[in-house]
Amino acid sequence: LAKTTQPISMDSYEGQEVNITCSHNNIATNDYITWYQQFPSQGPRFIIQGYKTKVTNEVASLFIPADRKSSTLSLPRVSLSDTAVYYCLVGGPRGDDNTDKLIFGTGTRLQVFP
Amino acid sequence: NAGVMQNPRHLVRRRGQEARLRCSPMKGHSHVYWYRQLPEEGLKFMVYLQKENIIDESGMPKERFSAEFPKEGPSILRIQQVVRGDSAAYFCASSPGTGVEETQYFGPGTRLLVL
Repeated sequence: LAKTTQPISMDSYEGQEVNITCSHNNIATNDYITWYQQFPSQGPRFIIQGYKTKVTNEVASLFIPADRKSSTLSLPRVSLSDTAVYYCLVGGPRGDDNTDKLIFGTGTRLQVFP
Repeated sequence: NAGVMQNPRHLVRRRGQEARLRCSPMKGHSHVYWYRQLPEEGLKFMVYLQKENIIDESGMPKERFSAEFPKEGPSILRIQQVVRGDSAAYFCASSPGTGVEETQYFGPGTRLLVL
């Protein structure tokens, strides 16, 4: 399971676009990249998942370069309610050990200011 | 479609007591995962279960911790003879168990405090 590296914290202002980059140099061929958001005292919430190129949903976009050694979560026009910890995870589908366990790092603590 | 349910949301135990945490997966999901989170840290994988089977328990402490996911009813994470170091938030996640790449959906967690 590939290890991920992401900034410990980021600050932004309301209305700005926020890009959080995650490094995963040892990503395996069959690994997907998934981002979760976690508010204090809540469970992680799925944001977006991708394998390559670009994925977009109603919440965010995920950019993955051709070598897949990094990925960037893009949050357009953040608001105060986007203040949270964002986790980048790499893994799955089931590898040789038949497990889908997620390996969480310490995440990126995003603080949005008015 | 209700999400992943966990209860209790908060649990206080004295050292030496038993803690039982329950998780009901999303409807149609047959895979359950348990994670533990200490303050200011990311979640740590504990165990992965399918109905009536433990698939991966590599993150479970060897003693005092056990998990089950019976054919009927919720998944249970059981901690015997709790110690203060067991105080943490315990999260359950579920996935469908039908596809190649599967998103895990998390419950709200149970916050265990050991006095």
